[in-house]
This record gives sequence, C-alpha cells and structure tokens, in this order.
Amino acid sequence: IQMTQSPSSLSTSIGDRVTLTCRASQNISNYLNWYQQKPGKAPKLLIYATSTLQSGVPSRFSGSGSGTDFTLTISSLQPEDFATYYCQQSYSTAYSFGQGTKLEIK
Amino acid sequence: VQLVESGGGVVQPGRSLRLSCAASGFSFRNYAMHWVRQAPGKGLEWVAFISNDGRDTSDADSVKGRFTISRDNSKNTLYLQMISLRAEDTAVYYCSRCQEDYGRFDSWGQGTLVTVSS
Repeated sequence: IQMTQSPSSLSTSIGDRVTLTCRASQNISNYLNWYQQKPGKAPKLLIYATSTLQSGVPSRFSGSGSGTDFTLTISSLQPEDFATYYCQQSYSTAYSFGQGTKLEIK
Repeated sequence: VQLVESGGGVVQPGRSLRLSCAASGFSFRNYAMHWVRQAPGKGLEWVAFISNDGRDTSDADSVKGRFTISRDNSKNTLYLQMISLRAEDTAVYYCSRCQEDYGRFDSWGQGTLVTVSS
C-alpha cells in the first residue's frame, strides 16, 4: 500500500493552523497513524486509529479521515511543533510510511 | 519502556551484520516488534515485523531474502540478521514496539547506524 503525503514541506508561523494530508493507494479503513520526528531523534507516535491521541500528546493535534484520505491538523503551531510528520498505514502487515511533511518556520 | 539497539557500524558491500535490540521495562514476550530504517536525509522505511511469539514474520520487498528478523523472548532481545548488504542499506535502523490495537508503534529505540561502504 502506497502512502502519499502533501505537501512535502510547509513554511508556517507560530500560532498558525496547519493541515497535513495523507492519501492511501487503497482503502485502509481507519488504520492510519501519525508520527512526529525531530532531527537526530527517533519518531514519536502522535495519533493512532486516524483520530486517537497517544497519551501525553497535546490536544492541539487532531486527526480525521477514513478510507483513503486522512488529515493531521495542528490548531495553533508552537515552537516545538516544527518537525517532520509521517503517516503510516497499519492495515496490511507491510506497514508503509508516507514520505513525510516537513514543517519549517516562515 | 526502553529499547536499545546495537550492532551497527561500517561494513563492506556483500558482507553481513546482525543488529540487536535489547528491551526492558515491559513484558517483551507480549508484544510484536518491528524494524524501521531511515537512510541519511530520507524518510522512514518499514523493514520487518515479528509477532510476539516469533511464529509470524514479514518483511519489505527491498530486503526480502537478505534480512531476517528474529527474537529471543528469554533474553528480551530482538534481532535483524542482514546479509548481502548493499550501499542502499545504509541507514539508521530503529526497533519499535507494536501495540496490538491498530498496529501503532508506540515506543522506539534511539537507532543504530549501518554504513555500507567499501
């Protein structure tokens, strides 16, 4: 299953509302997870099952979608949110990731 | 929960390497595990999966026939045996714990760098 994220990068400002998109090449129901990765660090799970926040993740993060189209929304960007975000499908045992969206400071 | 990878290093093309991931702080035998890699400056690539009891495994087409995932639940350790290494296998390799519900990777190690170069 191919996962495609858009945009590849995004220049944004603190306080902005941003929406990242992830599209699956086939129906994955709600088996969609989102990860955040900062330079030199391991990825961190943010959201699973499309919209469930992992414990400890701030409520400014939210997820939605189903089938093939999904979004990750950050309601008000904070300095610590500038990172790369990856979607991942867990519908099939080849747990493919999207290519990532890098959030940069404008 | 702690996952600590080891075994990375510089290796020549065509040679072999075995990575280890030592798990602690949780009941290792109850969790499926994965290996994920990241080439320098690139995105995440899922590599391999193993069920909690080791009976079921799967791997990416890019490593099929060359990489083997295994585990020793008595030692709380996950392994990745890599043979016939290629330059394109150069990456940081992460082990991660997989929760049964929705296959989420909820804990990750710090990664170990494998460089394939002559």
